Amino acid sequence: GESVGLHLPTLSVQEGDNSIINCAYSNSASDYFIWYKQESGKGPQFIIDIRSNMDKRQGQRVTVLLNKTVKHLSLQIAATQPGDSAVYFCAERLVSFQKLVFGTGTRLLVSP
Amino acid sequence: EAQVTQNPRYLITVTGKKLTVTCSQNMNHEYMSWYRQDPGLGLRQIYYSMNVEVTDKGDVPEGYKVSRKEKRNFPLILESPSPNQTSLYFCASSLSASGTYEQYFGPGTRLTVT
Repeated sequence: GESVGLHLPTLSVQEGDNSIINCAYSNSASDYFIWYKQESGKGPQFIIDIRSNMDKRQGQRVTVLLNKTVKHLSLQIAATQPGDSAVYFCAERLVSFQKLVFGTGTRLLVSP
Repeated sequence: EAQVTQNPRYLITVTGKKLTVTCSQNMNHEYMSWYRQDPGLGLRQIYYSMNVEVTDKGDVPEGYKVSRKEKRNFPLILESPSPNQTSLYFCASSLSASGTYEQYFGPGTRLTVT
């Protein structure tokens, strides 16, 4: 399948562990954030989003944390499974430019 | 099934030979966009459209054209492809007219220009 990045930071975990993927965003005025999952050979897939008036949002096995003080976003995946292996990247909504800006991503490798 | 489709999925061509990559969505979305994805770089926007007959340049529009004659279709045209346009291309659509909320992506088109 397609490789989205040869030199992406990589997080390797064991099946069943919890995973934490981090993202530093660029603009303190950004008001909305999304996490995407991109499996090999596929397009990015929406996982979860969060608005800037929240610090935490939970989905099914995933939690997103937002720290506006240090412009940091994290994605926590509980009980990581081999099917979670993919590239994960965040996107921020730049209010002033009315656009989404995408990060470069982190590769998650899950070993059985 | 709600989806964004792109064709072809893989394309190898030569410098200067015009090509078109098609994109279609069945979700009645107003907003559609094209991105390219290169190693070490995030998704970079090429062109976008907020409505039929309305298109605007993104961050890297040089060498590309688009059209939006119908709501569901948003083809990407390379009039004279060059090797620096070798990349992975994604089409996306959004219910949000500005496209600044959740975007749905197609499966990608791997283009190689020799």
